This record gives sequence, C-alpha cells and structure tokens, in this order.
Amino acid sequence: KAGVTQTPRYLIKTRGQQVTLSCSPISGHRSVSWYQQTPGQGLQFLFEYFSETQRNKGNFPGRFSGRQFSNSRSEMNVSTLELGDSALYLCASSLDLGNQPQHFGDGTRLSIL
Amino acid sequence: GNSVTQMEGPVTLSEEAFLTINCTYTATGYPSLFWYVQYPGEGLQLLLKATKADDKGSNKGFEATYRKETTSFHLEKGSVQVSDSAVYFCALRYSGGGADGLTFGKGTHLIIQP
Repeated sequence: KAGVTQTPRYLIKTRGQQVTLSCSPISGHRSVSWYQQTPGQGLQFLFEYFSETQRNKGNFPGRFSGRQFSNSRSEMNVSTLELGDSALYLCASSLDLGNQPQHFGDGTRLSIL
Repeated sequence: GNSVTQMEGPVTLSEEAFLTINCTYTATGYPSLFWYVQYPGEGLQLLLKATKADDKGSNKGFEATYRKETTSFHLEKGSVQVSDSAVYFCALRYSGGGADGLTFGKGTHLIIQP
C-alpha cells in the first residue's frame, strides 16, 4: 500500500512569490492535515481537510491556505512568501476525523531566498 | 490550550542500554497520545499510540503507558540499537467537539553509540 506522497520534495522561492505544494494521501484515507516544521517552532498544525472542507485551522496567517479535491488529494498554497516561511511542510492522512492515527509523508522542503 | 513537554536532548546512550524519554501533557478532556519517530531526511513515522487511560502502546520493542493521574506518556525500550538513533516526538490529539490537529512536543534527539 503506497504511503503519503508529497511533491515536490524541494522548492526554492524568493520573497513575495507564491507556492503550491501537493499531497496524495494513502488510498482510502479521507482526512488530510498539513504541518509546518522549523528548528525554532518545531511542528505546528496548519489545517485539516475532510470531504473537501476545512475542518480546523491552526494559528497561521491567511497567506496560508489549502484545499482538498474529491479524490482526497490536497494542495497547500502560501502567498507573498516571507523568509520565515522556510520550513519543512509535512502532509499527513488518516482514515477519518477524530483520534485516528495520522500517517506522514516525507515532506516538502521550502527555502525562501 | 493543549501542550506537550518532553526532554529535548540530545540523549546519548550506548548500544543495549535502557531508554526512557519523558513526556508530559496538558489537555482538556481525554486526548489520544502518540509517539512518532523521524529519521534524517524523512517524515514522521507513527511508533505507537494509546487512546485511553492505562492503555499501553507498544511497537518494535518500544512501550509507553497512558498515565492520566500524572498526565504522562513516557517512552521506554529495554535495549536500544544504533538503528534507533532518530528524533522522537510525543504528541496528543484531542477531538472534543470537532477535529483538531496533533499537538507535538519539541522532539528528543536520540543518539545510540556502538
């Protein structure tokens, strides 16, 4: 069974640009969550999608947005990039909402110059 | 709000030593508790979980028991190997009234020397 797939693995952007990251969940998983990992702040929850609807959102500015498609695949978008957005962005999928274990992809490493 | 506290390390042990990584949490209600492991250049892998008080999660020789009275979920292994070197994250997820993401500790960097 294929795991969570994130593309691309690495991205380099400059300040002010925007970026879109992609996540394909494990087959049959309907919930997709996004996390940001940085050395200073650690792992922080961005948002979770289920049935194409955002179900919960972490404490991030509106420049961070996402969506989920009918096949459960998800994209995350960051607009007007700032240097502080440099991070590893991790996607996780689970069967359903609630206390189901989340399974993570290998992440997209975003570097802002 | 919810929070997780764990020793950050690095924790350096010799092969075959006994491992304990402490984890305590603050949460409303009754969260589920998890340990994840992250190897260099990779995402997080679920190591074990416990969903209610006194549950014991176990996997690959690692164990952790959900202690509601001490709000703890300490990770233990009787005999560590070099291949256990990684960063370990304690996390909780609480879904009271809706869907919440995982709340993670800062991670504990474990180094096992041969």
